[in-house]
Amino acid sequence: DTEVTQTPKHLVMGMTNKKSLKCEQHMGHRAMYWYKQKAKKPPELMFVYSYEKLSINESVPSRFSPECPNSSLLNLHLHALQPEDSALYLCASSTRTGEGVWDEKLFFGSGTQLSVL
Amino acid sequence: AQTVTQSQPEMSVQEAETVTLSCTYDTSENNYYLFWYKQPPSRQMILVIRQEAYKQQNATENRFSVNFQKAAKSFSLKISDSQLGDTAMYFCAFFTRYGKLTFGQGTILTVHP
Repeated sequence: DTEVTQTPKHLVMGMTNKKSLKCEQHMGHRAMYWYKQKAKKPPELMFVYSYEKLSINESVPSRFSPECPNSSLLNLHLHALQPEDSALYLCASSTRTGEGVWDEKLFFGSGTQLSVL
Repeated sequence: AQTVTQSQPEMSVQEAETVTLSCTYDTSENNYYLFWYKQPPSRQMILVIRQEAYKQQNATENRFSVNFQKAAKSFSLKISDSQLGDTAMYFCAFFTRYGKLTFGQGTILTVHP
């Protein structure tokens, strides 16, 4: 299995809702990533988890809350979002072969298209 | 900090012809990787080709090849025998040993029949 699975594929939510995005991989990867992508723009890194610990937070607003409950699963909890948060949210994973060593090949999921009304 | 620049917002090419997409980058790192990713309308990110900075030989993958000029910090993608399925947005990307993948602004490539 060489897939990164993201659910749901589409999500519409109001500004007062709480929702979660889910990302799952069964490749034994120990690094997982969240990216945000607006239409016709490049993906922007949000968070990186390494060995289930938050490694990088790119100054993302607190209304986005990541969670890595185990080595196969990555969640992104959403609360009180703004319409400008509407975007494609991409998850990715890669191997980690040791301390300070990152595998450069990222496997991307197909994304969750989020619309905030 | 690393920056990746793609100076061609849009390109077009006739089917079966060759097209070259440009990318420049800036970094103080010595060990890094460079990539070209393709994102078709489905928005799935697909790895096209990768280059390790310490390798002088240019990477090739079937119809795709790169021209890597490390001193000039240039990394262009050549697509030979263009096909309709090559129509997509192409991103140049830079990966550091700290786990960060940084993308350029992208080039929309349209292949015309």
